[in-house]
Amino acid sequence: EAQVTQNPRYLITVTGKKLTVTCSQNMNHEYMSWYRQDPGLGLRQIYYSMNVEVTDKGDVPEGYKVSRKEKRNFPLILESPSPNQTSLYFCASSLYREQPQHFGDGTRLSIL
Amino acid sequence: GQQLNQSPQSMFIQEGEDVSMNCTSSSIFNTWLWYKQDPGEGPVLLIALYKAGELTSNGRLTAQFGITRKDSFLNISASIPSDVGIYFCAGQLVSEKLVFGKGTKLTVNP
Repeated sequence: EAQVTQNPRYLITVTGKKLTVTCSQNMNHEYMSWYRQDPGLGLRQIYYSMNVEVTDKGDVPEGYKVSRKEKRNFPLILESPSPNQTSLYFCASSLYREQPQHFGDGTRLSIL
Repeated sequence: GQQLNQSPQSMFIQEGEDVSMNCTSSSIFNTWLWYKQDPGEGPVLLIALYKAGELTSNGRLTAQFGITRKDSFLNISASIPSDVGIYFCAGQLVSEKLVFGKGTKLTVNP
C-alpha cells in the first residue's frame, strides 16, 4: 500500500531534549516536505527536499533540521526543542514538486 | 508571499444539504488542489485541477478552477455525516511551493 509513515504519532517531552521524527515513503517520490499545523495558522512548510541530498528552508525553518540521505526517508530533527514547537507535524511526499502531495497521519508533539 | 483566503472558516449544516466553499488569491496559480482532513489523520487529496475553467467531479464532490486562475470552489452535494472534517484548498505555480488555505471546518448534523 502506498503510504507516508511518520513516527512517533505522539510525543510528550521536555525543553532542550533532542528529538527526531522519522518519515518514510514507499512510492519512490523525489519530493518530500515537512509541515506544522497550528490552530488559526493552517499548514506551514518547515523544510522540503527536492531529491537526495537536496534540502531547503520553507516558511518556518527556525529550530528545525532535516536530512535526506536516502530517497525514502526524510527525518525532522529538533536539536533543542522549545514549547513554541508544540504542534501537529505532517510529512508529505510527491513524485515531483508540482505533483499533488500525499500526507502522513501526523505527529503530535508537546514540548513542556 | 502568496496567500489564499479560504471561506467560510466553518460551516454547520444538516445532513442532506449542499455545501459550497471557496478560495481566492491575489496571485494566479497553475494548479488548484482540494484536500480533506479527518480528525487525527493527515490531509487526503480529493480533487486536483490543472486548467483554468476546469470542472471536475469526484462522487458528490465538484470543484472548479476559476477562469482568472485566482480562485477555486468546492461543492459537496447531499451531505452525509462522514463529510465532517476540515477542507483545505491549495494552489501552486510551476516550480513554486504549494500554498494552503487555512481550512473550512465542516460539521454535519444528522
